[in-house]
Amino acid sequence: SQQGEEDPQALSIQEGENATMNCSYKTSINNLQWYRQNSGRGLVHLILIRSNEREKHSGRLRVTLDTSKKSSSLLITASRAADTASYFCATPTGKLIFGQGTTLQVKP
Amino acid sequence: GAGVSQSPSNKVTEKGKDVELRCDPISGHTALYWYRQSLGQGLEFLIYFQGNSAPDKSGLPSDRFSAERTGGSVSTLTIQRTQQEDSAVYLCASTREGEGRDNEQFFGPGTRLTVL
Repeated sequence: SQQGEEDPQALSIQEGENATMNCSYKTSINNLQWYRQNSGRGLVHLILIRSNEREKHSGRLRVTLDTSKKSSSLLITASRAADTASYFCATPTGKLIFGQGTTLQVKP
Repeated sequence: GAGVSQSPSNKVTEKGKDVELRCDPISGHTALYWYRQSLGQGLEFLIYFQGNSAPDKSGLPSDRFSAERTGGSVSTLTIQRTQQEDSAVYLCASTREGEGRDNEQFFGPGTRLTVL
């Protein structure tokens, strides 16, 4: 079974709006990672948050982690059309396990 | 330095044929992963190589699938007697794993396999 599960499965917003995606996981983790995938090809690492961190920022990205709820959220502020992609959370449990992803569409 | 590379980028084959997919990881990365992604789906873990340890083959869907990693570097994923349901994008990733590291994965561009 998947370790990470994202919701919503799909999200459509207007350019300039914020996009929030959530991830839930099942077991204890050392860190949680978010990746982006364009056009069904290779994934690109966006940001990593460690289990002792609650929030982390990188440019327009903000990630939160709640280990008590086993959940994380990825916020993209002031979205752009170029942010259109699929976003995956992943947790290392020996090997890195990915969720099913959230497909984000940003309309210009 | 160069990233993870995969070849071929696209492969069309006939049902029943064997195919080999190649992955060249980033130099110095000790771990290598193979994933499969069907259209619109998430990543399905296939196999994981870490250093000289026995590979984790728990994700291979059938005995038609096998993989090897020679010299701790290049890996080949082989699918024998391909079926139409094998059609997918096959992604390879490598990481510099080890104690104290965060295991960020670096992905190749993938091989799109189409079985007719």
